[in-house]
Amino acid sequence: NAGVTQTPKFQVLKTGQSMTLQCAQDMNHEYMSWYRQDPGMGLRLIHYSVGAGITDQGEVPNGYNVSRSTTEDFPLRLLSAAPSQTSVYFCASSRTGTAYGYTFGSGTRLTVV
Amino acid sequence: DQQVKQNSPSLSVQEGRISILNCDYTNSMFDYFLWYKKYPAEGPTFLISISSIKDKNEDGRFTVFLNKSAKHLSLHIVPSQPGDSAVYFCAATAGGGGSNYKLTFGKGTLLTVNP
Repeated sequence: NAGVTQTPKFQVLKTGQSMTLQCAQDMNHEYMSWYRQDPGMGLRLIHYSVGAGITDQGEVPNGYNVSRSTTEDFPLRLLSAAPSQTSVYFCASSRTGTAYGYTFGSGTRLTVV
Repeated sequence: DQQVKQNSPSLSVQEGRISILNCDYTNSMFDYFLWYKKYPAEGPTFLISISSIKDKNEDGRFTVFLNKSAKHLSLHIVPSQPGDSAVYFCAATAGGGGSNYKLTFGKGTLLTVNP
């Protein structure tokens, strides 16, 4: 059971480039989310999905797109990378119910130069 | 405006003693609270949670207390062990029945347990 898998682990982009951060889970979880972690800021929600075909914006959605065509995958697209998007990105998934928190991936460290 | 606040960026305790990590929230709609633990270069891992209908939840060495009137929760670790050294995040959700898909996190507290 792999849990939540994020690729790549590290990435350096030039300003203006686009890329997709991949996230896959094999736990048949309905809920998936993307968070970013910046120094002194905790984790902030970018986008989330409550099921295949359903996505919504979180706290800091600008500059990012998501789609959820399958239960397993929830990619995060950076449309035109900016230095302000330098961060560590975490994907997470969860099943319904109040007793369980999210399962997080190990993160993607992105640097935009 | 930060809705979940962890006002202590760091905490240092001796092995075997109690660690108390605090969290305050401002949103009265929050009805479910979670604590996550994070080691460097890893994703956060779920530790313990509590519903707003309870005031205490216990799991082994970890206990979470909730004071709704004060909008305050705390995580107690007894006894503390060096392996507990990590960043601890408090998180909350207003799921309206407990759906936990939209979490608001605090900034985290770095706990260091000294041997």
